[in-house]
Order: sequence, then C-alpha cells, then structure tokens
Amino acid sequence: ETGVTQTPRHLVMGMTNKKSLKCEQHLGHNAMYWYKQSAKKPLELMFVYNFKEQTENNSVPSRFSPECPNSSHLFLHLHTLQPEDSALYLCASSQEVGRNNEQFFGPGTRLTVL
Amino acid sequence: AQTVTQSQPEMSVQEAETVTLSCTYDTSESNYYLFWYKQPPSRQMILVIRQEAYKQQNATENRFSVNFQKAAKSFSLKISDSQLGDTAMYFCAFMKRDAGGTSYGKLTFGQGTILTVHP
Repeated sequence: ETGVTQTPRHLVMGMTNKKSLKCEQHLGHNAMYWYKQSAKKPLELMFVYNFKEQTENNSVPSRFSPECPNSSHLFLHLHTLQPEDSALYLCASSQEVGRNNEQFFGPGTRLTVL
Repeated sequence: AQTVTQSQPEMSVQEAETVTLSCTYDTSESNYYLFWYKQPPSRQMILVIRQEAYKQQNATENRFSVNFQKAAKSFSLKISDSQLGDTAMYFCAFMKRDAGGTSYGKLTFGQGTILTVHP
C-alpha cells in the first residue's frame, strides 16, 4: 500500500448522473493530483493542488470539478459525463509541488459511463 | 512541451533472465527528472527508480538499473534476475526542474510497456 486510498474502486454511471470520487492520503503530504488513464493512452494530468490551492488545470472540461477541502482529501465531482470519459482515474500525492518530486499513487477508480 | 515515447507495447521474459525496457523523450529543458513507475495488475502505481538529469551516474535500485543517455534523450530500464512479481505495466515519466532546484510537479508519462515474466 502506498498510503493513498481511493473510493469507490469501481463506478458505473449514466450520462445524467452526478457522482463524486474521493481520494485520501495518510502521508502528511501537501500536494495532490488527479490523473486520467485511458486504454492505449498515456496518463494525463488533470488537476494539481498544492496546500489546498489549485495550481494546475490541464484544460479539463467543466463536467469535471475538483475540490480539495484540506491537504489530506481530494474529490472529483462528476456531472453529465460522456462515454469517452470512461477510464481509470488515479489520485496521487507528494510532499509538496516544487519540493519533493516523488508522487505516491492510489489504486484508482474504474469509471464506466453508459 | 515534453513528450515521452515507449516504443515497446509489450515485452516478455523468462524468470531469472534480464530484460530492458526502452524509453526516449523530447524536451528543450536542461534540468529535469526521469522516472520509471510500475503498475501491477492490482493497479497501484509505485515508483521503481528515479534519475536526476544533472547526474551522470546511472541510478540503481537492487535489481533495477537505468541506462541514461542524456545526449540521445534515452532512458532505458534494465531488470535483472526477473521475478514473477515484476509482471506489470511500466511507465517512463518526465518531470521538468527549474534552475532553482524546484520541480513543477507535473509528470509527463509514456504510453507504457506491459511486461510479463514467465515461470
């Protein structure tokens, strides 16, 4: 285990649903990240938070809405998704952006959009 | 922008043998980090090895070592004495580092190489 947990591990939702993905890290880190992993494509960075402040939005559609209430928790709120959004969503954390460069990853949430 | 290319979608090796995974990258940065991450079938990605571009010496971690060729922008991973537990997808990744010694925290990944170790 890496010290980063994600729930749920699997999620199936319709295009009109609203759901949220949750990530929690137990490492005392201050930076958290969302990545999207699609089949046959490299991991794509979506969002970066450093000390609860969003420092990166990698041109992600507004149907994905991140929230970072504290340094230990990160959410990804989903609404009106498209089938092409089906993917594995990975959360990661690091000591902070700009200091420690190792990122620790969670197990991911496998999302299927019908 | 940086790009990372892993030209081998799949590789296989017999247990106890050695295998090398290839990675090339393209960047105009002079200061950066390179990583190999392993993602086993359980899906939790873990760091295997890290190389700092300013260091000429190749990084090693037990059975894992890299061949870092900065001029050629090549960063291959060698796994010696392969074990069944090495079966996983392996990702090469790049992170730029500014002149002040801080990184931006943005990993750019390659497409991955699926490695299967056969008994």
